[in-house]
Amino acid sequence: GESVGLHLPTLSVQEGDNSIINCAYSNSASDYFIWYKQESGKGPQFIIDIRSNMDKRQGQRVTVLLNKTVKHLSLQIAATQPGDSAVYFCAENRGGGGNKLTFGTGTQLKVEL
Amino acid sequence: GAVVSQHPSRVICKSGTSVKIECRSLDFQATTMFWYRQFPKQSLMLMATSNEGSKATYEQGVEKDKFLINHASLTLSTLTVTSAHPEDSSFYICSASTGTGRSTEAFFGQGTRLTVV
Repeated sequence: GESVGLHLPTLSVQEGDNSIINCAYSNSASDYFIWYKQESGKGPQFIIDIRSNMDKRQGQRVTVLLNKTVKHLSLQIAATQPGDSAVYFCAENRGGGGNKLTFGTGTQLKVEL
Repeated sequence: GAVVSQHPSRVICKSGTSVKIECRSLDFQATTMFWYRQFPKQSLMLMATSNEGSKATYEQGVEKDKFLINHASLTLSTLTVTSAHPEDSSFYICSASTGTGRSTEAFFGQGTRLTVV
């Protein structure tokens, strides 16, 4: 079936390094994607979004890349900090009207000092 | 950003009882609210979409008679877990958005940890 999934369940990086979290999606009709950060015991926090008419979008220390050809989405975090440790989810709007989101499986990012 | 508040943040109830969880948009009117369930180390699974003044739309496999959703105003939606059982123990999260457009940002509550004993 159609799904949004992540390649790596856990990613460990050294403080100060860059992090790259990947997401694969299979629904070609999806045209809006969002990255969320979820800390333990809390709700998801919006990080950055991107529409399908773009292939790159930058925020503060974060960049989202979208490759529609291979249906791949990535989140890059520059100069990763201990406070970045969390689970990161990609989510997609699969189309069909409205703003209902489908979440990927999540990646645990661990920042080592 | 906009603030969505959930209450309670944690609740423990006895098997067979009902529990109500509230989701409030504090500084905006939410046309649409969504309810998710999240089991440990898993992703968020959409349970239902709640539109103010109309019946909720449930996802496949979600029992509407067990998970009662009411969206009586533009700032409040409630989820009632009826006749709760231990397998209903989970993290329940709501989100709210100001519109129905495909790229309308959704704001999430802090979640409610339900434990059924």
